[in-house]
Amino acid sequence: AQSVTQLDSHVSVSEGTPVLLRCNYSSSYSPSLFWYVQHPNKGLQLLLKYTSAATLVKGINGFEAEFKKSETSFHLTKPSAHMSDAAEYFCVVSGRDTGRRALTFGSGTRLQVQP
Amino acid sequence: ETGVTQTPRHLVMGMTNKKSLKCEQHLGHNAMYWYKQSAKKPLELMFVYSLEERVENNSVPSRFSPECPNSSHLFLHLHTLQPEDSALYLCASSQGVVDTQYFGPGTRLTVL
Repeated sequence: AQSVTQLDSHVSVSEGTPVLLRCNYSSSYSPSLFWYVQHPNKGLQLLLKYTSAATLVKGINGFEAEFKKSETSFHLTKPSAHMSDAAEYFCVVSGRDTGRRALTFGSGTRLQVQP
Repeated sequence: ETGVTQTPRHLVMGMTNKKSLKCEQHLGHNAMYWYKQSAKKPLELMFVYSLEERVENNSVPSRFSPECPNSSHLFLHLHTLQPEDSALYLCASSQGVVDTQYFGPGTRLTVL
């Protein structure tokens, strides 16, 4: 069965410093991987998507993620945090493992950005 | 976010009420989903519709009844809910299942 683990439930950074949100996945097939962001009282917005092309994926708002098959990781990074980045971030794996048709979500990482 | 709309945005209901949540997608997609998001729990997939046919139902209690009259609209009919059903209910759509999903803003449901 496929699964995804977000290693930190909360991350706190200062504005202007780098952001690292960690994600490990498990899948029997070559998965597609996503990062979504959810601001308070809003739906989920797609940040970026990996689908077996380039291993370094660039997304919106300056975020990027690197797919590392040997480490089964898909960590999300941003060089410089902005106050508006404060939100909940979800790592998601998609695949046809055991016939499952939809996405498997991680439990989320809440990012706080301090002024 | 405007590609998938949900109404109402907030709903408060008693345990004996009947209400419906509505989702509409304007993206030309052929698959739609209902998710439940409770505090401190991962998103739970409830139902998947592909080409207006229900293709997945993840052991959801019968007090939740989905309806997909066409590929653009999805409803979730609610009946005799419990307080533990209070949550944010998210609708999503995609082109084909197991593809990038686009989410609506959600309906915040409170069951008294």
